[in-house]
Amino acid sequence: AQSVTQLGSHVSVSEGALVLLRCNYSSSVPPYLFWYVQYPNQGLQLLLKYTTGATLVKGINGFEAEFKKSETSFHLTKPSAHMSDAAEYFCAVSGGSNYKLTFGKGTLLTVNP
Amino acid sequence: EAQVTQNPRYLITVTGKKLTVTCSQNMNHEYMSWYRQDPGLGLRQIYYSMNVEVTDKGDVPEGYKVSRKEKRNFPLILESPSPNQTSLYFCASSPQGARNTIYFGEGSWLTVV
Repeated sequence: AQSVTQLGSHVSVSEGALVLLRCNYSSSVPPYLFWYVQYPNQGLQLLLKYTTGATLVKGINGFEAEFKKSETSFHLTKPSAHMSDAAEYFCAVSGGSNYKLTFGKGTLLTVNP
Repeated sequence: EAQVTQNPRYLITVTGKKLTVTCSQNMNHEYMSWYRQDPGLGLRQIYYSMNVEVTDKGDVPEGYKVSRKEKRNFPLILESPSPNQTSLYFCASSPQGARNTIYFGEGSWLTVV
C-alpha cells in the first residue's frame, strides 16, 4: 500500500520569504516521488520528481525537494517566494506498482505582497 | 503541440442522463488514467489503462466505465450520473505508467443536479 500526507492544507508566505511545503509518504518498496502544481483553472503540471540516485532534486521555477528515506519525507522548498508561485501543490507517490499514482490532498500556497 | 484534450470542459446535467467525457492525447502514450478532484480530498484515481484494450479499476470506480479501443482515446462514461459524481475530472497520460511524468488535461467540470 502507498499513501501521502501533506502537512498543512494552506500555507501563506510573504513575497521573498522561504517556501516550505511538507510531504510524508508511505510505501512498502522504494518509491518514486513527485510534486505537481496546479494553477487556477488549469490542469496539473510536474514540478519535479525523484526516482533513484541523488536525493536532492531540482525542478522548474526554482523549486527543489529532498528525499529523506529515514524520515519518509519529500518536502518542497524554494528560497524566495514570488507572487506567481501562488497555486495548489500536490505531492504524489508511486510505489510497488507502475499503474497507480497516489496524491496527497494538496497544499494551497498563498503569497502576500 | 503535445497535449491531453478533454471535452466538454464544463457540463451541467441531470441525474440519470448518460454522458461521456472524451479524452485524447497526441503523444503516443501507452498509459492513460482518469482522476476526480474534490475539495479536501486531492485527486483520486477512477480508472487506468496500461495499453490498448487493457483497463482496470482505480480507487473510486463505482458509477463509471471506460474503454480503450485505440491508443490515443480514453473516454469516461457515466451511465447514470448521480449528484455525488459532481466533481472536477482530469484525464492524464504518460509514456509507460505512473512512474513516468504524467501529463494532465485541463479538466472537466461536471455538475449533476
